[in-house]
Amino acid sequence: DTGVSQNPRHKITKRGQNVTFRCDPISEHNRLYWYRQTLGQGPEFLTYFQNEAQLEKSRLLSDRFSAERPKGSFSTLEIQRTEQGDSAMYLCASSLQHTGELFFGEGSRLTVL
Amino acid sequence: RKEVEQDPGPFNVPEGATVAFNCTYSNSASQSFFWYRQDCRKEPKLLMSVYSSGNEDGRFTAQLNRASQYISLLIRDSKLSDSATYLCVVLNNAGNMLTFGGGTRLMVKP
Repeated sequence: DTGVSQNPRHKITKRGQNVTFRCDPISEHNRLYWYRQTLGQGPEFLTYFQNEAQLEKSRLLSDRFSAERPKGSFSTLEIQRTEQGDSAMYLCASSLQHTGELFFGEGSRLTVL
Repeated sequence: RKEVEQDPGPFNVPEGATVAFNCTYSNSASQSFFWYRQDCRKEPKLLMSVYSSGNEDGRFTAQLNRASQYISLLIRDSKLSDSATYLCVVLNNAGNMLTFGGGTRLMVKP
């Protein structure tokens, strides 16, 4: 399967714990995006990378959130000291530069109890 | 005001009906526009790009009105399999960020 891969697919955690999600993009794609989606809403932009450089970061991304793409391939999104409001689907997408077609992974669903 | 606004619906239509969705965007400098489709509990997927001259792909027609800052999607001869959420998406003028609307839910019934 050469699509975008995300894991874990589901994560249930207690409030205050840290969680980390991983995204493996399509190999030749240099852009990688993280979005968050809650029920009944469209995906909300969190951050994006071009190769290993994090070029944009949404104001939605508080200082508890950090994302990395150390070698310009896979990316991780870490949420520290999780809160119930962090419960959502975290979607990763990749694309080639200068295109509006994002290829999404199946998402990582986070539930914070 | 949200950057990209859509009527959330749901639009409940019978098979064979024609249905249209509109979407408005706030940034007049936006570069490109798209419709994505998202099935229940699945990831969004590109349905079609929206060109200034309008474009058609089978039963689907997309149009852009830059002066009024709205985009439309028309679906003719609706099928049961068209039931999904349709997301309006705008690419910013820097060409590096896609902003999604909240989606319009369509339910096609027999």
